[in-house]
Amino acid sequence: GESVGLHLPTLSVQEGDNSIINCAYSNSASDYFIWYKQESGKGPQFIIDIRSNMDKRQGQRVTVLLNKTVKHLSLQIAATQPGDSAVYFCAENIVGATNKLIFGTGTLLAVQP
Amino acid sequence: NAGVTQTPKFQVLKTGQSMTLQCAQDMNHNSMYWYRQDPGMGLRLIYYSASEGTTDKGEVPNGYNVSRLNKREFSLRLESAAPSQTSVYFCASSEALAEQETQYFGPGTRLLVL
Repeated sequence: GESVGLHLPTLSVQEGDNSIINCAYSNSASDYFIWYKQESGKGPQFIIDIRSNMDKRQGQRVTVLLNKTVKHLSLQIAATQPGDSAVYFCAENIVGATNKLIFGTGTLLAVQP
Repeated sequence: NAGVTQTPKFQVLKTGQSMTLQCAQDMNHNSMYWYRQDPGMGLRLIYYSASEGTTDKGEVPNGYNVSRLNKREFSLRLESAAPSQTSVYFCASSEALAEQETQYFGPGTRLLVL
């Protein structure tokens, strides 16, 4: 079946560097994408979302890019901080699927001081 | 404003025991969800409730039942726990069961079935 996947299961970056976390999706009918952050022992926390009629959206220190041609989603974190260390995963919502999100397995971001 | 709360935080059960996981949200959301999260796998939807009084099966409903007690509360019940139900359970809510409505998650319940 179609699913959301991540290219890199673990990403290690230096504090202050920019981080890029990638996500590939295979369902061309998906029209809404969300990035969540999950810290150890906690529930997923909404970071940013993007709709399929956009290719870029910016938040505070985060940017999500959507490339529908190659079905690729990325999360960019500027000036990565130790508090950014967490598992990040993307989720997609398929048109007509009434908010039944499909989640990826996650990428662990480890920020080195 | 606490958002989504879940009780208990941790639970250990023996095979065959029953228990109910509680979830409440104070955001006046109409829709609520139960997920399980297992190592190496993404969150999988167990059941959801579009609005008060309605519930529907998700991807992995077998072995579970749910009750949408009122608009705030959505409980998940394991009638006869099995080791395969060892997992972390998350409740979530959204304003509506519509596409592109953001889901907000609780802190999770960690369940171990021996």
